[in-house]
Amino acid sequence: GQNIDQPTEMTATEGAIVQINCTYQTSGFNGLFWYQQHAGEAPTFLSYNVLDGLEEKGRFSSFLSRSKGYSYLLLKELQMKDSASYLCAVRDPTGGGNKLTFGTGTQLKVEL
Amino acid sequence: SAVISQKPSRDICQRGTSLTIQCQVDSQVTMMFWYRQQPGQSLTLIATANQGSEATYESGFVIDKFPISRPNLTFSTLTVSNMSPEDSSIYLCSVEVGSKEYFGPGTRLTVL
Repeated sequence: GQNIDQPTEMTATEGAIVQINCTYQTSGFNGLFWYQQHAGEAPTFLSYNVLDGLEEKGRFSSFLSRSKGYSYLLLKELQMKDSASYLCAVRDPTGGGNKLTFGTGTQLKVEL
Repeated sequence: SAVISQKPSRDICQRGTSLTIQCQVDSQVTMMFWYRQQPGQSLTLIATANQGSEATYESGFVIDKFPISRPNLTFSTLTVSNMSPEDSSIYLCSVEVGSKEYFGPGTRLTVL
């Protein structure tokens, strides 16, 4: 079956760095996604990792270790507007489909 | 990326009625998906909308309840049939562009 775990909530201080972890167990693997979702809005694409290693994009970086079934999203120089839910999703090609399975999301609160 | 629009953005419906949600993309895409996000929950895939053939439904979702059309490569509809309050949710379409998946703005449905 599919199992994607991430912390439910995290709190961090403006200007700091926060790391949001995601572990997964899926039948197959064809990429891991991170999305940001503000309350009442649709998810916004942040990153996509299919190979091991670190992908950096501005203040956001995402890391993947396929052997460990592990990823993290790193947010630097936190801003108040980064307060949102962060969703980890894994693409599984098993069965001929290419669907995304989502974790429950991590609600990040950035404080002064 | 892709520009995705959904109609309606929100609706309030009576129990027992049906609502059709439209999803329009600004470019031709092979893969389109429909998700549901219940209050306080993460995203759950309803089905993959296949152009020219029947949609592929995930476990727990059936065509009679959620009929889907995909007449061409830029458009799809999802109908929520015979609604009950439990169908109150945000419904999102998404498209795959390259290896990445992008979401529409969502349709917020409230069933009374």
